[in-house]
Amino acid sequence: EAGVTQSPTHLIKTRGQQATLRCSPISGHTSVYWYQQALGLGLQFLLWYDEGEERNRGNFPPRFSGRQFPNYSSELNVNALELEDSALYLCAGTLGGQGMNEQFFGPGTRLTVL
Amino acid sequence: AQSVTQLGSHVSVSEGALVLLRCNYSSSVPPYLFWYVQYPNQGLQLLLKYTSAATLVKGINGFEAEFKKSETSFHLTKPSAHMSDAAEYFCAAGGSNYKLTFGKGTLLTVNP
Repeated sequence: EAGVTQSPTHLIKTRGQQATLRCSPISGHTSVYWYQQALGLGLQFLLWYDEGEERNRGNFPPRFSGRQFPNYSSELNVNALELEDSALYLCAGTLGGQGMNEQFFGPGTRLTVL
Repeated sequence: AQSVTQLGSHVSVSEGALVLLRCNYSSSVPPYLFWYVQYPNQGLQLLLKYTSAATLVKGINGFEAEFKKSETSFHLTKPSAHMSDAAEYFCAAGGSNYKLTFGKGTLLTVNP
């Protein structure tokens, strides 16, 4: 069974550009979470998608957005990139429904903003 | 709001020694609690999770954690450290809003 996949592995952008990151959860997992892991700040919750809908978002500005597709894969978009957006972005998939299920993480996308 | 505190950003032990990584959570309601491990340049892997079925939770690779409600703690232990245990460890809590709040992580170094 394939694990959670993320693409690209690395992404280099300049200030003001837009970045698009992609995530495919394990087959059968319908919820996708996005996290930012910045140096010194730990893992910060960004967004949660379930059954195609945004269910919750963390304390990030609106230029961080995303969507979930009918096949449950997800895309994270970051507009107007700033230097402090440089981080490892992790996505995690989980079963939907009630309860706090285990989240399965992908390897991450390393975003560097120059 | 939920918060998770990991005491000690860096813990160093000798191979074969006890590993103890500390985690405290803040919640009036016992949350779901997790320990994850992250090896360099990789995503997070679940070590174990607490879901109120038992206070002592056994995980993979010989790790276990004990939930203590009175101390709001969920410390991670392993009786004997291996070199392969060197990694960063994250404690996380989840609640009714279905999002995980992570601690800042503890980097475990294992010395030969």
